[in-house]
Amino acid sequence: KNEVEQSPQNLTAQEGEFITINCSYSVGISALHWLQQHPGGGIVSLFMLSSGKKKHGRLIATINIQEKHSSLHITASHPRDSAVYICALNSGGSNYKLTFGKGTLLTVNP
Amino acid sequence: EPEVTQTPSHQVTQMGQEVILRCVPISNHLYFYWYRQILGQKVEFLVSFYNNEISEKSEIFDDQFSVERPDGSNFTLKIRSTKLEDSAMYFCASTWGGLAGELFFGEGSRLTVL
Repeated sequence: KNEVEQSPQNLTAQEGEFITINCSYSVGISALHWLQQHPGGGIVSLFMLSSGKKKHGRLIATINIQEKHSSLHITASHPRDSAVYICALNSGGSNYKLTFGKGTLLTVNP
Repeated sequence: EPEVTQTPSHQVTQMGQEVILRCVPISNHLYFYWYRQILGQKVEFLVSFYNNEISEKSEIFDDQFSVERPDGSNFTLKIRSTKLEDSAMYFCASTWGGLAGELFFGEGSRLTVL
């Protein structure tokens, strides 16, 4: 069974700060996902990674397959980035049978 | 932007009652999923559905649960006899091509079992 550990559990930042959220896992994977869960509960897929690095706007996601570790970075954070960020793993198979982390609650203050 | 829609947004039911949660996936998507999140806990995979049959299910998805795509647009999750521990947020998701496509989630249906 693949264990997913996210850190920190809670993160408070001031607007404009650079944010890093980490995700470690125990067993090899086929892909890692970063998801954003809004305060109302809805979930949005941010990135799917199997290697290297991806960038979308102010968000950057990296993965190190050998070290079984991924990071999500937010540059120039803004209060609208306040949400729960969830790391989820696909350990194989042909569909999205994901194993989810507990999430990191990010609060960005103005 | 295309979206996955779920109804109802919140349902309150008595223990032992049957509940049907409905989802309308994005129209050209082929793979459909249900996940659940008990309050304060991690999101958990329940079931995946492709080509009108279950392709994979978790140990949570026991005989009390069933899924169906009754027509070309709806994807439903039925809980036959609800228990208190079924209280959770249920998320529907869809993608067009298995792992090749981006996963789109609905806003969730909150189920409260009394």
